[in-house]
Amino acid sequence: KNEVEQSPQNLTAQEGEFITINCSYSVGISALHWLQQHPGGGIVSLFMLSSGKKKHGRLIATINIQEKHSSLHITASHPRDSAVYICAVYNAGKSTFGDGTTLTVKP
Amino acid sequence: DTAVSQTPKYLVTQMGNDKSIKCEQNLGHDTMYWYKQDSKKFLKIMFSYNNKELIINETVPNRFSPKSPDKAHLNLHINSLELGDSAVYFCASSPLDGNTIYFGEGSWLTVV
Repeated sequence: KNEVEQSPQNLTAQEGEFITINCSYSVGISALHWLQQHPGGGIVSLFMLSSGKKKHGRLIATINIQEKHSSLHITASHPRDSAVYICAVYNAGKSTFGDGTTLTVKP
Repeated sequence: DTAVSQTPKYLVTQMGNDKSIKCEQNLGHDTMYWYKQDSKKFLKIMFSYNNKELIINETVPNRFSPKSPDKAHLNLHINSLELGDSAVYFCASSPLDGNTIYFGEGSWLTVV
């Protein structure tokens, strides 16, 4: 079992839908990171969280340290949101990545 | 200006060769990283380095070595390349508080 589990693995949505991607982890962490990787390969940092909630535009990330769980929400999804979303946890200089969630948003 | 730049973007080389991938960041960050993304698209950290400490992922073969001539550069040297080294290698940097991380565009290495 991976130390970081993401669900779902694949997600297809219609434009405009509200999307949730989940990340559960089994190790102690100092921070959790959500990354976005587009088909061209580039990786963009979306959020780094150690507690609570962060919002940027249509993206919202939450983390519950007690439950060892984080969610990434996308409101009013758009085809340009289609990408792989990766959860990563950090502790003492070591990072562990989830396997990613492939999101496809259809027009 | 590109915040984190890697060169080369594409590299095809033969087994047994020694090669380097260069990484530079102009963000003034203290910590730099190298990640490997394999054919299954899984990202794994290889090294994290600041001016005080090098942390090595214990699964990384010692044929891989990071070299940092200064705070803005962290180059990746690979000796005796093997077929399994074929992957995309990403460089990244972050400030000491770790609140965000910036990735380079990746270097596609193919070993033939």
